[in-house]
Amino acid sequence: NAGVTQTPKFQVLKTGQSMTLQCAQDMNHNSMYWYRQDPGMGLRLIYYSASEGTTDKGEVPNGYNVSRLNKREFSLRLESAAPSQTSVYFCASSEASSFRAFFGQGTRLTVV
Amino acid sequence: AQTVTQSQPEMSVQEAETVTLSCTYDTSESDYYLFWYKQPPSRQMILVIRQEAYKQQNATENRFSVNFQKAAKSFSLKISDSQLGDAAMYFCAYRATNTGNQFYFGTGTSLTVIP
Repeated sequence: NAGVTQTPKFQVLKTGQSMTLQCAQDMNHNSMYWYRQDPGMGLRLIYYSASEGTTDKGEVPNGYNVSRLNKREFSLRLESAAPSQTSVYFCASSEASSFRAFFGQGTRLTVV
Repeated sequence: AQTVTQSQPEMSVQEAETVTLSCTYDTSESDYYLFWYKQPPSRQMILVIRQEAYKQQNATENRFSVNFQKAAKSFSLKISDSQLGDAAMYFCAYRATNTGNQFYFGTGTSLTVIP
């Protein structure tokens, strides 16, 4: 039982490049999330998906797109990376019964 | 929108001593969950403890306990008999039960444990 798996763990991009962060969970959770973590700012929600086929914007969605490919997978895409998107990105999923969130290991993204 | 505030960016504690991390939150909901997550240098987010708002009894997990004051919207974490492995960033989080699916996080408290 792997839990929440994120790839890649590290990435360096040049300004203007695009990339997709992948996330998959094997716990049959309905809800999935993408957060970014910046020093002194905690975790801020980028997008979330309450169930397969639905996505909603969070606090900081600008510059990002998401796809809930199926119940297991929820990807985050940066179409044209900017230095302000340098951050650590976390994918998470949540179960309905206990409401707790399970997190992936994070992706450290640097945009130069 | 719900907000979660952690007013202590950094805290330190002597090994074997007790430390309390503060958290306040703002909500108009009556039914919700509160959490403390630990993030060690490995970056992994680990659930430390969870409290349901409808429960008056404070949650405990071994050396970790909370002081939940619903009327004051306060949710502090007490770590007893602190160990070197407790050194980490600690995040307080909130999630409403009936409205929305989002988790709201505080800005974190960095805990140092002094040998």
